Amino acid sequence: GAVVSQHPSWVICKSGTSVKIECRSLDFQATTMFWYRQFPKQSLMLMATSNEGSKATYEQGVEKDKFLINHASLTLSTLTVTSAHPEDSSFYICSAPRGGNGETQYFGPGTRLLVL
Amino acid sequence: AQSVTQPDIHITVSEGASLELRCNYSYGATPYLFWYVQSPGQGLQLLLKYFSGDTLVQGIKGFEAEFKRSQSSFNLRKPSVHWSDAAEYFCAGGPTGANNLFFGTGTRLTVIP
Repeated sequence: GAVVSQHPSWVICKSGTSVKIECRSLDFQATTMFWYRQFPKQSLMLMATSNEGSKATYEQGVEKDKFLINHASLTLSTLTVTSAHPEDSSFYICSAPRGGNGETQYFGPGTRLLVL
Repeated sequence: AQSVTQPDIHITVSEGASLELRCNYSYGATPYLFWYVQSPGQGLQLLLKYFSGDTLVQGIKGFEAEFKRSQSSFNLRKPSVHWSDAAEYFCAGGPTGANNLFFGTGTRLTVIP
């Protein structure tokens, strides 16, 4: 069964609104989680590393004020797309490592965001 | 720069035929390498991984992959493809394990009867 869940699985919103996506590790604790973005027919691109109890680490080119990440607990990380625009429409995937050195990464099923 | 390349965007094979999906990596040192499968509506599922040791690794669902340092490759193979194997396959690499993964662009596998 799934060990990482995401909610919602898909969302449609109007341009200018904010959307929050949750990522939960279901039966293990994750001090670190990762957020990826996947465009149609393209690969996953790492956006940021979510760290429990501290600020997220963003990859180059990712706007931290646009994509707010909060790692509220050892089992929950949230990604908020602020003032969403159509170009933010994408498939967002989170993952959480399990194991001493993160050797196993569990991925959520993804959240499809469509901004009108 | 660190990168993973999958040269084939789309591959079609007949059910029962053998399969090889190509993956090449570019890293300063030997990376940790992974193959994932992505089916619609499901999260990425790990097929297999290579950290060190035996260069031929066995995974789930009958898949295997061979790490070849001389060719900077980590190709995925399966001797006999099943219709249920149709999906998107991603090769990924990471310098320190499964964190901070770099993904290839993926190969879509179509299986025809």
